[in-house]
Amino acid sequence: RKEVEQDPGPFNVPEGATVAFNCTYSNSASQSFFWYRQDCRKEPKLLMSVYSSGNEDGRFTAQLNRASQYISLLIRDSKLSDSATYLCVVNEAGGTSYGKLTFGQGTILTVHP
Amino acid sequence: NAGVTQTPKFQVLKTGQSMTLQCAQDMNHEYMSWYRQDPGMGLRLIHYSVGAGITDQGEVPNGYNVSRSTTEDFPLRLLSAAPSQTSVYFCASSYSIAGAWDEQYFGPGTRLTVT
Repeated sequence: RKEVEQDPGPFNVPEGATVAFNCTYSNSASQSFFWYRQDCRKEPKLLMSVYSSGNEDGRFTAQLNRASQYISLLIRDSKLSDSATYLCVVNEAGGTSYGKLTFGQGTILTVHP
Repeated sequence: NAGVTQTPKFQVLKTGQSMTLQCAQDMNHEYMSWYRQDPGMGLRLIHYSVGAGITDQGEVPNGYNVSRSTTEDFPLRLLSAAPSQTSVYFCASSYSIAGAWDEQYFGPGTRLTVT
């Protein structure tokens, strides 16, 4: 089983729709969590960190559920420009120092007119 | 700040050749890492380092070596290139806050083809 798993999609939604992605992780001692966005043939860029209390940034809301070991990303009022691959990242404890940062395989989102 | 730089941007190798992908950061970050990205596979961790002189293996380390002699540089060496190593390679760096790694900053990637 992969340490960090995402539904690869693809998700095809119309403009204005609400879409949610989940990401599960296997290491219960994981420390920090992130959502990244990656456009085609570009490097990933941070979308938002995920805090225990949940956090919101405009149309984007991130949640962490430690008991069930998953994080989620909700996008409201989808725009064409939201089309991208969304990647979750988990700081897994273990190994050297604070552990390592591991990606899920990414979820492809396409928003259509 | 230049951030994270990677060279070269593109490279074609023949099977069996060796080469080094360069990565440097000027943000004094402790954590540096190498990922490879193949279609449908997301980013898979090859090796990572939590400081000068300290490296560890990730998910797919076979066929790759790393060293970290300075905080700034983290080169990735392909010992004997194979077609299965055709991929896009990303280097990233991060820093610690409250006992965990925080946001990663990525280089622009190296597109490697092995024929």
